[in-house]
Amino acid sequence: GQQVMQIPQYQHVQEGEDFTTYCNSSTTLSNIQWYKQRPGGHPVFLIQLVKSGEVKKQKRLTFQFGEAKKNSSLHITATQTTDVGTYFCAGHRGETSGSRLTFGEGTQLTVNP
Amino acid sequence: NAGVTQTPKFRILKIGQSMTLQCAQDMNHNYMYWYRQDPGMGLKLIYYSVGAGITDKGEVPNGYNVSRSTTEDFPLRLELAAPSQTSVYFCASRREYEQFFGPGTRLTVL
Repeated sequence: GQQVMQIPQYQHVQEGEDFTTYCNSSTTLSNIQWYKQRPGGHPVFLIQLVKSGEVKKQKRLTFQFGEAKKNSSLHITATQTTDVGTYFCAGHRGETSGSRLTFGEGTQLTVNP
Repeated sequence: NAGVTQTPKFRILKIGQSMTLQCAQDMNHNYMYWYRQDPGMGLKLIYYSVGAGITDKGEVPNGYNVSRSTTEDFPLRLELAAPSQTSVYFCASRREYEQFFGPGTRLTVL
């Protein structure tokens, strides 16, 4: 079945440093989504990327979707303590957007003030 | 709107007991999902529904059952609870492509 892998599993940074998490799929994705889960909380939708090579920005967050639509990345510039949490990527398999998302295992980010 | 609500928040079960995790949404979404999240892991899809009266298995359906008699409600039933079902359970509904998650139910089976 489809697998979505994320690296690294954990990342510890000093406040102000940059952070990147990478997501790789074993199959072509129709789209990729990113979610953030604060400690003890529930996942919250951040963004969806659909087009090959797409880049989207949300303030200090930059999201990319690979040309082959099999990988993605999330980059945070100048991390803040409010960025703490686990970041998940999730993809829909194939050429069309289906009902089921496959989630990666997440990257847990801690930020030292 | 209350969004997606789940009850209970916490529950401890003994091996072999049964229970129903409740999930409701007031956003009139057709798509609803049940996930489990084991410590330090991602979300695994248990069951999902594309509308009232329609349900389908996800990645890890064994030991669970669901029903969807109304658009609003999507309960998850555990029969004969096992320690392997200790997890946090999240219900979600979907508008277009965005999934909205409930606060979760933390279940421990001893």
